Amino acid sequence: GQQLNQSPQSMFIQEGEDVSMNCTSSSIFNTWLWYKQDPGEGPVLLIALYKAGELTSNGRLTAQFGITRKDSFLNISASIPSDVGIYFCAGQPGGSEKLVFGKGTKLTVNP
Amino acid sequence: ETGVTQSPTHLIKTRGQQVTLRCSSQSGHNTVSWYQQALGQGPQFIFQYYREEENGRGNFPPRFSGLQFPNYSSELNVNALELDDSALYLCASSVGQGRGPNRGYTFGSGTRLTVV
Repeated sequence: GQQLNQSPQSMFIQEGEDVSMNCTSSSIFNTWLWYKQDPGEGPVLLIALYKAGELTSNGRLTAQFGITRKDSFLNISASIPSDVGIYFCAGQPGGSEKLVFGKGTKLTVNP
Repeated sequence: ETGVTQSPTHLIKTRGQQVTLRCSSQSGHNTVSWYQQALGQGPQFIFQYYREEENGRGNFPPRFSGLQFPNYSSELNVNALELDDSALYLCASSVGQGRGPNRGYTFGSGTRLTVV
């Protein structure tokens, strides 16, 4: 079945540092989404990407939809303590109603 | 505007029992999707309901079933519970039939099911 490989699995950074995480797949996706999940909560949408090559920002977050449609990355600039959480990528196959999620990147920010 | 609400928040069941989880979708949303999230994993698609009918299903056995009601709320039923069914069950609501570009679900906070 379709799988997403998300890396790194975890990151420990200092406040103010930039962060980069990515997702790759052997399958093509028509939509890429990035979510953040805090403990005890459901995932919250950060950025949605709909076109190969698209680069989209949301405040300090920037994400790109890879040209091959098989990968995406998320960058966080100037990290702050509230960036702590688990970040998930999700891909939507064409013509499908489901999202396929990666296993997540756990981010820890040291003040 | 109310978000997605799920009940109960936590549940402990014995292997072999049956469970029903409930979800109220966000106001204005007519599609509900259910996901299972095991510890340390990403959510996995169970199924989606649109206009009270199942609109797609993931790799889950028939003992996982669902319903959507005219007010768009939904239930997830799991029969013959197994230990591996222990997970966070997430409900997500959205607008439209779901096969178009996903504009981003609104997820509930989930129901934590423990099977002992």
